[in-house]
Amino acid sequence: EILLTQSPGTLSLSPGERATLSCRASQSVSSSFLAWYQQKPGQALRLLIYGASTRATGIPDRFSGSGSGTDFTLTISRLEPEDFAVYHCQQYGSSPRTFGQGTKVEVK
Amino acid sequence: EVQLLESGGGLVQPGGSLRLSCAASGFTFSNYAMNWVRQAPGKGLEWVSGISGSDGSTSYADSVKGRFTISRDNSKNTLSLQMNSLRAEDTAVYYCAKDWSGFFLNWFDTWGQGTLVTVSS
Repeated sequence: EILLTQSPGTLSLSPGERATLSCRASQSVSSSFLAWYQQKPGQALRLLIYGASTRATGIPDRFSGSGSGTDFTLTISRLEPEDFAVYHCQQYGSSPRTFGQGTKVEVK
Repeated sequence: EVQLLESGGGLVQPGGSLRLSCAASGFTFSNYAMNWVRQAPGKGLEWVSGISGSDGSTSYADSVKGRFTISRDNSKNTLSLQMNSLRAEDTAVYYCAKDWSGFFLNWFDTWGQGTLVTVSS
């Protein structure tokens, strides 16, 4: 099973700043089959990115994904108030599908 | 609008059973694989089980194999998870999640809001 490690655990930033979240896999993720999700309290999780870099429908272009192999990054170019949340990465290239432990982006 | 609504969570004693349901709407349910994903308190997400949309084939995480059974009723647009021999470590919020296609090994494009299962005496 592929283990995903997200860093940092918590990111303290101010609105307008740039957020860079990392997701590292214990082995290569085939065909860049990596997704990112946003989780807010009391709301359903939202798909942000799939295929490592393709934004899901309706996702603002301030969200971008990059990476391949074992190292992936989610970047939020300028944080909006609604972006403060927990972000999860997930690999779906091999079974079982696995998730990272999450990165919380909080207001500084 | 695509929607998933879970129900059936609650407090159950160790060794007990519980059945979760997920009501789907806004899409052709039978065309898509469906899954259960859980999140223990303060922990990350864990895929639990999935069922394909095409032939109804199933898959389970090792942690629940032999204890949980996933099923679907395409006539009622409903996904279910029968959980037996529950353990304290099964305590979590359980989410219903829709696969992008009818088959496994895709991303989840829609999630429900979850239902809490607490296993405790």
